[in-house]
Amino acid sequence: KNQVEQSPQSLIILEGKNCTLQCNYTVSPFSNLRWYKQDTGRGPVSLTIMTFSENTKSNGRYTATLDADTKQSSLHITASQLSDSASYICVVTMFSGGYNKLIFGAGTRLAVHP
Amino acid sequence: GAVVSQHPSWVICKSGTSVKIECRSLDFQATTMFWYRQFPKQSLMLMATSNEGSKATYEQGVEKDKFLINHASLTLSTLTVTSAHPEDSSFYICSASRDGSFYEQYFGPGTRLTVT
Repeated sequence: KNQVEQSPQSLIILEGKNCTLQCNYTVSPFSNLRWYKQDTGRGPVSLTIMTFSENTKSNGRYTATLDADTKQSSLHITASQLSDSASYICVVTMFSGGYNKLIFGAGTRLAVHP
Repeated sequence: GAVVSQHPSWVICKSGTSVKIECRSLDFQATTMFWYRQFPKQSLMLMATSNEGSKATYEQGVEKDKFLINHASLTLSTLTVTSAHPEDSSFYICSASRDGSFYEQYFGPGTRLTVT
């Protein structure tokens, strides 16, 4: 079954600290993996997108890694800010039936406290 | 670039009435638009895919007669929730793709629907 699992489900950290979110997937065939940030009551905003051959990609204080062999990805947030409080969603794109289909993880809810 | 808007941002309606949600791509032409539903603390679930000028393709379990989708132009898709009931209360999010390949989807800000 094509699934995307994220951990932890929720996380609380203090402002200025770093954190790492995990994403494991069993999606095949794999097309690409994305991380999105979703603020409460808003639509998701793309942070990074990685294809099979990419191991790491950064976007400011966000750094995503991908291990296509173990089917694992992580999102590292450096020097967290209060505005980082949001849900972070891992999305894997698979190629099925002649088109690409997005498989969403349940997300990790991050709360950054002062 | 690649901005997607939704209107309204939130709506409250009475049970049994219908409500229409608009999704617009503001600065690009979207050959394909997608509609998602998100319940509290859950991730997005794809409801349907619509291509401009053709009928929408609904995901399994989504009632096509209840959730009417129209994609009349390359910049506008609408979702109409007919005869809404409280269980239809949810966060509805649309996304748009330039080329329909699913490679890059740009998400709208979402519409919060509450049915009383």
